[in-house]
Amino acid sequence: GENVEQHPSTLSVQEGDSAVIKCTYSDSASNYFPWYKQELGKGPQLIIDIRSNVGEKKDQRIAVTLNKTAKHFSLHITETQPEDSAVYFCAASRGWNAGNMLTFGGGTRLMVKP
Amino acid sequence: ETGVTQTPRHLVMGMTNKKSLKCEQHLGHNAMYWYKQSAKKPLELMFVYSLEERVENNSVPSRFSPECPNSSHLFLHLHTLQPEDSALYLCASSQRTSGANEQFFGPGTRLTVL
Repeated sequence: GENVEQHPSTLSVQEGDSAVIKCTYSDSASNYFPWYKQELGKGPQLIIDIRSNVGEKKDQRIAVTLNKTAKHFSLHITETQPEDSAVYFCAASRGWNAGNMLTFGGGTRLMVKP
Repeated sequence: ETGVTQTPRHLVMGMTNKKSLKCEQHLGHNAMYWYKQSAKKPLELMFVYSLEERVENNSVPSRFSPECPNSSHLFLHLHTLQPEDSALYLCASSQRTSGANEQFFGPGTRLTVL
């Protein structure tokens, strides 16, 4: 089955700096890669996703890149703000060919210091 | 109500109790999921229901029993649980159509088994 590794497990940055979180996956048939943000006491919130036919996607301060050959994808947050502090999860899926199952990484706790 | 709601938000039960978790989605989706989030492990998929049929049972112990009476409601029936089953149980929903993979999560039920 799919295995997703996520690094780092914790990340501390100064407000205004950039943050990068990296994930690798094992199943070359995976074709959908979402990123979730989870704040304390809440469920994960989808913040951006990318499909295997796209190399990069951007939404304001957030961007995701995908390297299918190397089987890794990354989340980039620019101009970080204190409200970006949360736990971020990457995931991979083979889509509805496999029940739309998501396999998650272990999470990254991002702390943005004001 | 909007999005995905879960009740109760907190539950404490003994190992001999029987209880049920409820999830309701208000997004018009036709697929629903149960995930388990433990402190030391990544988010784990437990069950997938698509069009009210169970698509995936991810080797979950029989003391967890899902029920999906219609596309808007999902239950997780619990009986004779173990202390290691204490976790945050998250429900998610999505739309089963070509190219649509996004899953939207509820806030979770924090379960403590004594």
